[in-house]
Amino acid sequence: EVQLVESGGGLVQPGGSLRLSCAASGFTVSSTYMSWIRQAPGKGLEWVSLIYSDGGTYYADSVKGRFTISRDNSKNTLYLQMNSLRGEDTAVYYCAKVEVWGQGTLVTVSS
Amino acid sequence: DIVMTQTPLSLSVTPGQPASISCKSSQSLLHSDGKTYLYWYLQKPGQSPQLLIYEVSSRFSGVPDRFSGSGSGTDFTLKISRVEAEDVGVYYCMQGTHLFTFGPGTKVDIK
Repeated sequence: EVQLVESGGGLVQPGGSLRLSCAASGFTVSSTYMSWIRQAPGKGLEWVSLIYSDGGTYYADSVKGRFTISRDNSKNTLYLQMNSLRGEDTAVYYCAKVEVWGQGTLVTVSS
Repeated sequence: DIVMTQTPLSLSVTPGQPASISCKSSQSLLHSDGKTYLYWYLQKPGQSPQLLIYEVSSRFSGVPDRFSGSGSGTDFTLKISRVEAEDVGVYYCMQGTHLFTFGPGTKVDIK
């Protein structure tokens, strides 16, 4: 069964950092493209970042220069390193391949 | 950047009646590979989004045949032939031709 399980969310102060993880099972993360997508409380979905099977990475303008997507093929895990966090980054963060999404992990940026 | 719009933003439907949601993109979603990467997702209350339709009109595994997608270029439609109580939630279109962008969502509830 294809499954994605995110972890690493929590409360962080503005300007702080957090690393999210997404453990995959039932498929190989390096064989396909994977995304991070977020949803602010009560709001819609916002694409955040993408990594292709060839390792190419892309970011939404709102996070460019602050967030870094990566993967560890040996652990079959996707990551999102988030630096210089702002209040507007508060959201549930989902990792996803097109047809399967994780359950999400909540990131709250507040003092 | 591509902008996705959806109409209506909310919809109240009597069970057994049809429903239709429109999604428009600011640029053509026809990819150079000949495919059109337009997806439809349903986010039920308290859940992660689930894929309904991929590449405009292909129904994802396990999706009831009362859901259908159509369209081309910049104009797309999701139709539910007979709405059931379990169809309530927020419907999002997403383009995957030029990175990813989501529409604002259409909230569907039952009368």
